[in-house]
Amino acid sequence: KQEVTQIPAALSVPEGENLVLNCSFTDSAIYNLQWFRQDPGKGLTSLLLIQSSQREQTSGRLNASLDKSSGRSTLYIAASQPGDSATYLCAVGGGGTYKYIFGTGTRLKVLA
Amino acid sequence: DVKVTQSSRYLVKRTGEKVFLECVQDMDHENMFWYRQDPGLGLRLIYFSYDVKMKEKGDIPEGYSVSREKKERFSLILESASTNQTSMYLCASSTGQTAEAFFGQGTRLTVV
Repeated sequence: KQEVTQIPAALSVPEGENLVLNCSFTDSAIYNLQWFRQDPGKGLTSLLLIQSSQREQTSGRLNASLDKSSGRSTLYIAASQPGDSATYLCAVGGGGTYKYIFGTGTRLKVLA
Repeated sequence: DVKVTQSSRYLVKRTGEKVFLECVQDMDHENMFWYRQDPGLGLRLIYFSYDVKMKEKGDIPEGYSVSREKKERFSLILESASTNQTSMYLCASSTGQTAEAFFGQGTRLTVV
């Protein structure tokens, strides 16, 4: 059974820092991996989607990488801003019915 | 932009009531999902549907049912609401091609 882990559970950094959020999964036979952002009390906003054949995706200050063989993905945030404060979730898609298994998230706080 | 709309942001219902949560997507997506999100447990899949009138149980279907009579609409039904169904409910949709998932804004349900 696929398990998805995100470490750390919480992170507090000063504004301007570059930071890395980690996501690990136990079964490398994945269809894709998606990173989301969730603000308190709100739904999930899609940030980046990486297909299993890809190694990385970039959008603005965000870069996500995927290493299936080691069961890891990282989300890199460059030059962090207070507006980046949110919970970041990774989700692994297993193909077939396209169900996602979610990690429990990393709660990020960027201090001004 | 893909839009997934949930009918209510907040709901308060009494124990034993029948509760309907509605979700509509506007991108002609084949797949639709209902998750619940609880602190410390993350997102857990309740039901999903990969076509009109088709449904499959997720990880925690007990106490819930679903209906998908039209492609754009996916309803979650709590047959007899109980206090342990107090939670944040999230609807999502995805295309069968990339499987990128898009979420609604969430419904915070409180059962008293």
